[in-house]
Amino acid sequence: KAGVTQTPRYLIKTRGQQVTLSCSPISGHRSVSWYQQTPGQGLQFLFEYFSETQRNKGNFPGRFSGRQFSNSRSEMNVSTLELGDSALYLCASSLGQAGDTEAFFGQGTRLTVV
Amino acid sequence: GDSVTQMEGPVTLSEEAFLTINCTYTATGYPSLFWYVQYPGEGLQLLLKATKADDKGSNKGFEATYRKETTSFHLEKGSVQVSDSAVYFCALTLQRDAGNKLTFGGGTRVLVKP
Repeated sequence: KAGVTQTPRYLIKTRGQQVTLSCSPISGHRSVSWYQQTPGQGLQFLFEYFSETQRNKGNFPGRFSGRQFSNSRSEMNVSTLELGDSALYLCASSLGQAGDTEAFFGQGTRLTVV
Repeated sequence: GDSVTQMEGPVTLSEEAFLTINCTYTATGYPSLFWYVQYPGEGLQLLLKATKADDKGSNKGFEATYRKETTSFHLEKGSVQVSDSAVYFCALTLQRDAGNKLTFGGGTRVLVKP
């Protein structure tokens, strides 16, 4: 079956702009999580959506937001972009049970802010 | 808070050498433990997992044992191949949480030379 699909793969934006990233989970998966990966901070959890509701949230400013649609697809939005937002953004999907459920990751969207 | 600490790389080995990557954790609840691998230009793939103390996760020749007394989950492989060159991440999620928030270590880059 198809894996997790993230679009676009690469993005270049200017400081102050906003950006929307998309994630299509594996069919049947109801949980979608987002992570930011940077050389300095490593992998950091942004938020998780389950059945269209935000279930967990990391320690990121309000400029980072997300949503999930009824088909489980998720979007992540970053407003008023800063240079420090340049990163690889990874999406992970899972069935949604707590604890030890395997998370399947997409290839990521590489965002560059100039 | 919860955290994962793993040895810094890069780790450079010759083919057929023994690989160990140390991982220790602190957790406010009972964690499930994971090793993920990231190949160049790709997302993360689950390598192995363990959900309770003394469990051993194994996959593709890699092994790790959940040691509650030492709060560790060290990754080992007896004979590495060039194709094992990648970045390895240790991670945890709390079983009590109704969600899939993964807390990652900083990653260890492994380079296997022929």
